[in-house]
Amino acid sequence: QQQVKQSPQSLIVQKGGIPIINCAYENTAFDYFPWYQQFPGKGPALLIAIRPDVSEKKEGRFTISFNKSAKQFSLHIMDSQPGDSATYFCAASLNTGNQFYFGTGTSLTVIP
Amino acid sequence: GAGVSQSPRYKVAKRGQDVALRCDPISGHVSLFWYQQALGQGPEFLTYFQNEAQLDKSGLPSDRFFAERPEGSVSTLKIQRTQQEDSAVYLCASSRLTGTGGLVHEQYFGPGTRLTVT
Repeated sequence: QQQVKQSPQSLIVQKGGIPIINCAYENTAFDYFPWYQQFPGKGPALLIAIRPDVSEKKEGRFTISFNKSAKQFSLHIMDSQPGDSATYFCAASLNTGNQFYFGTGTSLTVIP
Repeated sequence: GAGVSQSPRYKVAKRGQDVALRCDPISGHVSLFWYQQALGQGPEFLTYFQNEAQLDKSGLPSDRFFAERPEGSVSTLKIQRTQQEDSAVYLCASSRLTGTGGLVHEQYFGPGTRLTVT
């Protein structure tokens, strides 16, 4: 059973566009929600993370929106660039942090 | 080192062979995690160490999978009698500490070992 559901599977945007990737979860005990970026042949790299006590967090061009009541969170990439082309994974964790539950990933392509 | 390192980066094994995958975590990181990433999927948890203690091995798919971290630093994931379904990228991650005061620490991932079983 997939603990975290992610959509869309793939996404193509023009340079400067704002791709949005969505994730949903069921376990209300989750309290840490990171987003990872992965380039081919590399391990996932942490982009930004949020806890459920805030509804939005921004770091540079990356923003997480969090809706606790709907059990959904999303990643927005402002002014997207071709260098942002990668696979993005959302994840969730309990406060013990023993394991992260990952979504299935979104392949983003930013066209110049 | 500056980050998590893994070796080998690529491993081809014939079905039935045993393999050993190595992970060097970030210096000083207490927690170490192993994940399995199938092609086109997200990483899936295998096992977790805090120092040398293996505290959670609930994700190991079968008793052919074994992990150790004898001195609380380097870890080895061993797969015995490899099968084709074991083909995947095996990722190692480390973090400073987890589960202290309800605070989750960031996990830093290595580049992974791509295992192909023929």
